[in-house]
Amino acid sequence: GESVGLHLPTLSVQEGDNSIINCAYSNSASDYFIWYKQESGKGPQFIIDIRSNMDKRQGQRVTVLLNKTVKHLSLQIAATQPGDSAVYFCAENLGENSGYALNFGKGTSLLVTP
Amino acid sequence: DTAVSQTPKYLVTQMGNDKSIKCEQNLGHDTMYWYKQDSKKFLKIMFSYNNKELIINETVPNRFSPKSPDKAHLNLHINSLELGDSAVYFCASSREGEPQHFGDGTRLSIL
Repeated sequence: GESVGLHLPTLSVQEGDNSIINCAYSNSASDYFIWYKQESGKGPQFIIDIRSNMDKRQGQRVTVLLNKTVKHLSLQIAATQPGDSAVYFCAENLGENSGYALNFGKGTSLLVTP
Repeated sequence: DTAVSQTPKYLVTQMGNDKSIKCEQNLGHDTMYWYKQDSKKFLKIMFSYNNKELIINETVPNRFSPKSPDKAHLNLHINSLELGDSAVYFCASSREGEPQHFGDGTRLSIL
C-alpha cells in the first residue's frame, strides 16, 4: 500500500489567512521529503524540501515541519494568496535503491477565496 | 529556456496503436524519470533512469519502455495501447538525491 498520504483532500481558506496541509508517511527509514504544487494543466512544481536531520525548514511564505516521532509532515503557507490555489503533494524520496524515485501522497486541493 | 520539455502535449489515438512521448531536459541532470497521473490526480513512478541503470516499477506493463538516446533525453514508447493507459504522463529529471523538475505533462487519450 501507499506509504505517504494526506489527511484532507480539499482545503478552502480565505485570502490572507494561513494554510496548513498535512501528510503522513509510514516508512520510518524515509529521510527526504518534498512538497510540490501542481496548477491545472501544469507539472508538479517544487516548493520546499526537508531531510530527516531537520525538524523545520522555511522558505518564502512557506514552512515545512517534520515530526519523525509520529511520521508526520506539514506545509504551512503564510498569508495565502489566490495564486496559491492548486493541488499540493507531499512526496518521499525512495532513495538510491529505487533510483531516487518519488512516492507521492494523494494530494490536497487548496482553494483560496477572496 | 524550458528546463524539462515533453512532446506532444496532447495525444489522442486508438486502442492497439503504438505511440511515443518525447522528453528532453537542459539542466544537465544525470537521472530522468517517467510518472503516470491518473484521473484522481494520483502520481505514480514508472521508471527511473540514469546513464548506468534503469529501475522499473514492477507494476508497469512491459508494453511500456523508456529509451534514452543520450543523457538529455528519455523517451517513452508504448505498444498496443489499451483504454487503461489513458492518463497524464510526466517526465522529470534531477541530480541524484535532489529535487526533481517536472515537465508539463502529456495527456494521452485512448479511443
